[in-house]
Amino acid sequence: DQQVKQNSPSLSVQEGRISILNCDYTNSMFDYFLWYKKYPAEGPTFLISISSIKDKNEDGRFTVFLNKSAKHLSLHIVPSQPGDSAVYFCAASYQTGANNLFFGTGTRLTVIP
Amino acid sequence: DGGITQSPKYLFRKEGQNVTLSCEQNLNHDAMYWYRQDPGQGLRLIYYSQIVNDFQKGDIAEGYSVSREKKESFPLTVTSAQKNPTAFYLCASRIHGKDTQYFGPGTRLTVL
Repeated sequence: DQQVKQNSPSLSVQEGRISILNCDYTNSMFDYFLWYKKYPAEGPTFLISISSIKDKNEDGRFTVFLNKSAKHLSLHIVPSQPGDSAVYFCAASYQTGANNLFFGTGTRLTVIP
Repeated sequence: DGGITQSPKYLFRKEGQNVTLSCEQNLNHDAMYWYRQDPGQGLRLIYYSQIVNDFQKGDIAEGYSVSREKKESFPLTVTSAQKNPTAFYLCASRIHGKDTQYFGPGTRLTVL
C-alpha cells in the first residue's frame, strides 16, 4: 500500500519557468517530509525538508509547501534550469530522525532549454 | 572527501547464488540503511542499523541479510531465497538526531 504518492510520473517545463512537483500522502501520522533529487545511476541527493509545524520552507530556488488538511505537499522550483532535469522523490516519516522514510514513486522533471 | 561508496556499480549473478553488496561510509554517521528501488516504484527499506552489532528489518527484509561489525561498513547479502532480486540497491547513512539520509551511488544487481 503506497502511503506516499506522486501521481505525475513526468513533467516538462521551459527553462526559466516554474516547476511544480506534487506529492500526496495518506497517513496522517506523518509529520516530517523531504524531497530528494536523483540523476540516473546515482543515489538520491537531499534537497529540502519541512516539518508539519510549518506550511512553507524555502531554500534558494526551491520552496516546499505543506497542506496538512489536504495531506498534500508540493515542491516549487523557480526559475527552472536544465540542470534541474532529474527524478524527484518525496518522502515522509513519522517523526524527525525516524529510521523509516516512506518514498513516493518519483516524478521525472525535464527542463527544456 | 567524505561520502558513501557502494561497490560494485553493476553486478550479475546466476540464479541460486548468494551475492554481497558493499557499502562503506567515512562520514562518521551512526545509522546506515539499505533500500531497494524497482522501476516505477519508490525506495523500499530492506534493513537498517543504528549502532554497531545491531540491525533491524525494514519492510522487505525477506531473502536478505546484513551485518554491522564496523561503524563504517554495512554489507548486504542477497540470498537465493530472495524471489526477485534484480533491482537497484541503495545504501544510505544518517547522523543520530539529524533528519537527512545521505545516499551512495547504488548497485544495480541483475540475476541471469
